Amino acid sequence: AQRVTQPEKLLSVFKGAPVELKCNYSYSGSPELFWYVQYSRQRLQLLLRHISRESIKGFTADLNKGETSFHLKKPFAQEEDSAMYYCASRGAGNMLTFGGGTRLMVKP
Amino acid sequence: DAGVIQSPRHEVTEMGQEVTLRCKPISGHNSLFWYRQTMMRGLELLIYFNNNVPIDDSGMPEDRFSAKMPNASFSTLKIQPSEPRDSAVYFCASRKQGADGYTFGSGTRLTVV
Repeated sequence: AQRVTQPEKLLSVFKGAPVELKCNYSYSGSPELFWYVQYSRQRLQLLLRHISRESIKGFTADLNKGETSFHLKKPFAQEEDSAMYYCASRGAGNMLTFGGGTRLMVKP
Repeated sequence: DAGVIQSPRHEVTEMGQEVTLRCKPISGHNSLFWYRQTMMRGLELLIYFNNNVPIDDSGMPEDRFSAKMPNASFSTLKIQPSEPRDSAVYFCASRKQGADGYTFGSGTRLTVV
C-alpha cells in the first residue's frame, strides 16, 4: 500500500528564510508525486507535480528515488506562502494518497 | 467553468440526524473522489468513482457512511446516523482521464453536536 509521510505538522520561518517541507513516500513501483496547497479557507490546489519539473511561485521539488523523498523547497519564503501543504502520491491506480500535511507559517 | 461545486458549505446538525453532502464535478471529468479532512488525520480518501461506478470504498469508516453517483454530474455522501466524531471538512474532487491533478471543491464543513 502507498504511504506518504510528512514528518512536520508545523513549520515556522521568518520572511526571506529558506523553506523545506519534507515528504517521504513508500511505494514499490514508480509513483507520481504532487504537492497541493491550501490557503486559509480556500480549496486545495495543485501546486506542482514531479513529472513536469516545474517551479511554481518559487517552489521546486525534486524526486529522490534513493531516499524516497519529494521535499518541497523555496529559497526565500514570503508571507503569502503561509498555508497548508500536502504531499501526495499516485501509484498504479487512480487514487491520490495524501500525507498528513504541514502548516507553513511565514512570519514578518 | 465553475469548478467542482459542493453544497452545503456549512452544515450543523444534531447527533443522530441524517446528513447529505452534495457534489457536482466538472463536466467531462470521469473520476470523482470524496475526502475527509481533520486535524488529527489530515486528508483521508473515503471513496472514489470512475464513470459513475464505485471503485474503492475501503476508506469509508463504517456502515453509517454511504455514497452514490447516479449520473456523471452528481454525487452524494450520506451519513446516517451522524455522530460528533464525524465533524470534519468533506471535500469532493474530480479528475479528467489522463490528467495529472485533481480539482477540488470548496468543501463542506460538517459539525455534529
